[in-house]
Amino acid sequence: SAVISQKPSRDICQRGTSLTIQCQVDSQVTMMFWYRQQPGQSLTLIATANQGSEATYESGFVIDKFPISRPNLTFSTLTVSNMSPEDSSIYLCSVGMWERGNEQFFGPGTRLTVL
Amino acid sequence: GENVEQHPSTLSVQEGDSAVIKCTYSDSASNYFPWYKQELGKRPQLIIDIRSNVGEKKDQRIAVTLNKTAKHFSLHITETQPEDSAVYFCAASRGLDKQGGKLIFGQGTELSVKP
Repeated sequence: SAVISQKPSRDICQRGTSLTIQCQVDSQVTMMFWYRQQPGQSLTLIATANQGSEATYESGFVIDKFPISRPNLTFSTLTVSNMSPEDSSIYLCSVGMWERGNEQFFGPGTRLTVL
Repeated sequence: GENVEQHPSTLSVQEGDSAVIKCTYSDSASNYFPWYKQELGKRPQLIIDIRSNVGEKKDQRIAVTLNKTAKHFSLHITETQPEDSAVYFCAASRGLDKQGGKLIFGQGTELSVKP
């Protein structure tokens, strides 16, 4: 499977600030996704990061709050804007491996705490 | 919208016993059903998956069954071991269609295997 890295692995941020999370893959992948996992909860899809075009957001998530970039087939960023304590969560990127029949693999996650 | 229901939320078994986790999905167009294992503080790991053209798939002590008519799929773990203790998530996806393979996750099952 692809090697996926995320930066930062964790961060503690102040209310009202923004944090950009990076996701890097060691090979070109068709699809990249961003998920949120709140403590003790399941994974919720934020958006699909589309290469060369605007991301596709799920219900309840908007571009102004979670701007996403995907400049090429190996890299994406998620920004959490104007943070509040409710944004404290683990943010995970995943990549879709169509060569392996739509299997998805996850990055290690970014643990965000907002004070 | 799409929904995946997972039961039970917690499951405790004795080492060597079998464990069964069940999921139902609402989107009849779903055609790909992966299962992930997430250990504490780690990323979800894909352990097995099944596609809609198959009714059952087995990989050593793990098996998954799919009933498309009932929109129901299950994970079976035999001869459980303490290292099987983790949170297990089921998911459903439309695969390679316009939805782009996004995963809808169940709520998770915390499996505890007692030695």
